[in-house]
Amino acid sequence: GAVVSQHPSWVICKSGTSVKIECRSLDFQATTMFWYRQFPKQSLMLMATSNEGSKATYEQGVEKDKFLINHASLTLSTLTVTSAHPEDSSFYICRAGQVDEAFFGQGTRLTVV
Amino acid sequence: GENVEQHPSTLSVQEGDSAVIKCTYSDSASNYFPWYKQELGKRPQLIIDIRSNVGEKKDQRIAVTLNKTAKHFSLHITETQPEDSAVYFCAASNTGGGNKLTFGTGTQLKVEL
Repeated sequence: GAVVSQHPSWVICKSGTSVKIECRSLDFQATTMFWYRQFPKQSLMLMATSNEGSKATYEQGVEKDKFLINHASLTLSTLTVTSAHPEDSSFYICRAGQVDEAFFGQGTRLTVV
Repeated sequence: GENVEQHPSTLSVQEGDSAVIKCTYSDSASNYFPWYKQELGKRPQLIIDIRSNVGEKKDQRIAVTLNKTAKHFSLHITETQPEDSAVYFCAASNTGGGNKLTFGTGTQLKVEL
């Protein structure tokens, strides 16, 4: 089956710093990448959708200048949380897609202290 | 946009009993309805899906039914086992599995011995 690798699996950072999360599709070309955020005991909320080579489309209420998404190639997308604050602590998970199906990465547990 | 509601939020059953989780969606254009199982701290795992041209689909102990007229779909798990304990999410999408999914709020299923 298709493999989507997300790194790091967990990260702890200081308030005010930036954190980059990588999502790679290892055995297929991901034309679309979805980034979700999941707070404890809550559902997955879509943050943004990106297509390779294009700017990401952000969901309402998601700050595009705070959550920078890059999808420069068909196998790699990155999410950078800039100037992180404790309220950004969450589980971030990517979903890499082709036309008919998409696959989740392992997720990244971000803790901002 | 699409809105997916899911009930119940928690469900406790005895081992061997059946479990049913129900979801409703709002967008009549949605045509793809997957169900995911998520264990704590892990990525959601696709367990079954159904497309709008089918009313029911079964895979061993798991089945999904879809009522397009009423815009609701349900997950049925028979002969539940302790390892079925997890959070289950329904989702809905327009145009298929590689596209944007809107998730339900989740159901915490606990299978008791």
